[in-house]
Amino acid sequence: GAVVSQHPSRVICKSGTSVKIECRSLDFQATTMFWYRQFPKQSLMLMATSNEGSKATYEQGVEKDKFLINHASLTLSTLTVTSAHPEDSSFYICSARVRSYEQYFGPGTRLTVT
Amino acid sequence: QQQVKQSPQSLIVQKGGIPIINCAYENTAFDYFPWYQQFPGKGPALLIAIRPDVSEKKEGRFTISFNKSAKQFSLHIMDSQPGDSATYFCAALAFYWGKLQFGAGTQVVVTP
Repeated sequence: GAVVSQHPSRVICKSGTSVKIECRSLDFQATTMFWYRQFPKQSLMLMATSNEGSKATYEQGVEKDKFLINHASLTLSTLTVTSAHPEDSSFYICSARVRSYEQYFGPGTRLTVT
Repeated sequence: QQQVKQSPQSLIVQKGGIPIINCAYENTAFDYFPWYQQFPGKGPALLIAIRPDVSEKKEGRFTISFNKSAKQFSLHIMDSQPGDSATYFCAALAFYWGKLQFGAGTQVVVTP
């Protein structure tokens, strides 16, 4: 299957600071990537759809000014959590779409805001 | 409102048993049904997927059964092993929409 990487795998930051998470497709080009967050023992919740060269589409209830998404190339999308607060602590996972249907997920980034 | 309903929430089977996870959907526009396996602290991994023109698909020890008229599909793990202990998510996708709708997940524990 296609390989998607994320960096960093874990990050701890102080409240009020910003954190950037990178998502890369390693062996294919992805015109569309997705960002999810997952709380313990819960399902994945889609935050936004990231399209290369255009603005991201955010799901209802997700603050676009807080979660900045940039998809500057066909292999890289970034999620920046701005002015992070403890309630933003979560597991953030990206995925990339290959062909029409298949989506492959990255390994996830554990964000802890103190 | 969850568009894909998954059950059970958890199940425990002995090694060699066949855990069965069921999912149901309402939206007939869905035309792609994948299953993902997730280990603690890891991202989900695509296991197997099916399109609605097929009633069954096997890949290794994993089998999807699909019932289009009932709008249900299930995952069977044959000859389960302790290494299969993980959380399994079913999902559904409509091509025109492009977004995966996930079930709530099933935690499977396979005891030695």
